[in-house]
Amino acid sequence: QKEVEQNSGPLSVPEGAIASLNCTYSDRGSQSFFWYRQYSGKSPELIMSIYSNGDKEDGRFTAQLNKASQYVSLLIRDSQPSDSATYLCAVNGGGSNYKLTFGKGTLLTVNP
Amino acid sequence: KAGVTQTPRYLIKTRGQQVTLSCSPISGHRSVSWYQQTPGQGLQFLFEYFSETQRNKGNFPGRFSGRQFSNSRSEMNVSTLELGDSALYLCASSSWTGPNTEAFFGQGTRLTVV
Repeated sequence: QKEVEQNSGPLSVPEGAIASLNCTYSDRGSQSFFWYRQYSGKSPELIMSIYSNGDKEDGRFTAQLNKASQYVSLLIRDSQPSDSATYLCAVNGGGSNYKLTFGKGTLLTVNP
Repeated sequence: KAGVTQTPRYLIKTRGQQVTLSCSPISGHRSVSWYQQTPGQGLQFLFEYFSETQRNKGNFPGRFSGRQFSNSRSEMNVSTLELGDSALYLCASSSWTGPNTEAFFGQGTRLTVV
């Protein structure tokens, strides 16, 4: 059973701080990794994808991947109240088809 | 470019009935996946279609089925509804250029079984 684990939180940070979200996965053959943001009552929105070991930056977001440790993280710099949402880590096992396995999400609250 | 469109947005059904949900992917996308989201289980994979073929299926009973049409639009059907089928059903669209392909979700269909 392929699993993706996330700290359920809630994670609470003050406005302007760095929020750090973590994710581990069990399938060593996983090839692609995604972070989705989901506001309450809305559908998941893709914010970052990462495929190679190391860091990938996009604006205030940085995704980090360490395949040897089977670990993915998302850093949000200069956190804003509008970043308050549930963050979902998703892993695609690769192969010839597309199947995302999701963690249960981390609820982030950014306090003004 | 239009996003992923799911219809209807909300549904209320009675136990034992069946329901059909529809998903129109982003133009040019040929892969459509379906997921069920509940507070207890999170997002769970139902199945994935590509060029009218089901390529992968999750661990759901046979009451859950789907299909994809030649224009890439997809439908999923749930027969003999149970209370536990109440959930947000999400469709994801992908261009499928390999495993490193991003998927984009529609707004979802909120199904309530009473």
